[in-house]
Amino acid sequence: EAQVTQNPRYLITVTGKKLTVTCSQNMNHEYMSWYRQDPGLGLRQIYYSMNVEVTDKGDVPEGYKVSRKEKRNFPLILESPSPNQTSLYFCASSHHKEGGYTFGSGTRLTVV
Amino acid sequence: QKEVEQNSGPLSVPEGAIASLNCTYSDRGSQSFFWYRQYSGKSPELIMSIYSNGDKEDGRFTAQLNKASQYVSLLIRDSQPSDSATYLCAVNIFGSASGTYKYIFGTGTRLKVLA
Repeated sequence: EAQVTQNPRYLITVTGKKLTVTCSQNMNHEYMSWYRQDPGLGLRQIYYSMNVEVTDKGDVPEGYKVSRKEKRNFPLILESPSPNQTSLYFCASSHHKEGGYTFGSGTRLTVV
Repeated sequence: QKEVEQNSGPLSVPEGAIASLNCTYSDRGSQSFFWYRQYSGKSPELIMSIYSNGDKEDGRFTAQLNKASQYVSLLIRDSQPSDSATYLCAVNIFGSASGTYKYIFGTGTRLKVLA
């Protein structure tokens, strides 16, 4: 089944403790993105990647890192999480730069 | 001005009616346009994409694009209670200065179909 898999689905962590949210897609898509979704603010792009080793900042990249060492994987790294990063996070992939995205199931992160 | 604007709703329509959802965008460099459906607690799901002016139909859904007026709309015919969800408009904008694409979502319109 074609899908984008994110893990974990739920995560509660403490301020400053490094964490990684994994994302993997099995559709051989070149484009991958990370979004956060907050009430009233909608989906905001954190980082995106156009191919292996090619990444760029979205609208809200502060406090996040990404890497794209393999085409299928695009992990999101929070080096020192803070409470304002409490949010619902989605990974998404697309087969071309003008296409629609397939979303993962989401990761609900709480930073206390 | 937000780059992609939608009325937050809720938009309430009776079962069997046509639901009309609208979205306006500010950047004339916008190249492609999408509608996603998001049920509460779930991830967005792509339901329509449209790339040129006019109408595009897929089952009960019709997307309409008017680049001159900078709006895109989604019509849902014969609305069902199962269509109750938040509908997100997304626009893919090509930045000629940067040479890159930017994918922007609206904040969504909540649709309620009343049985």
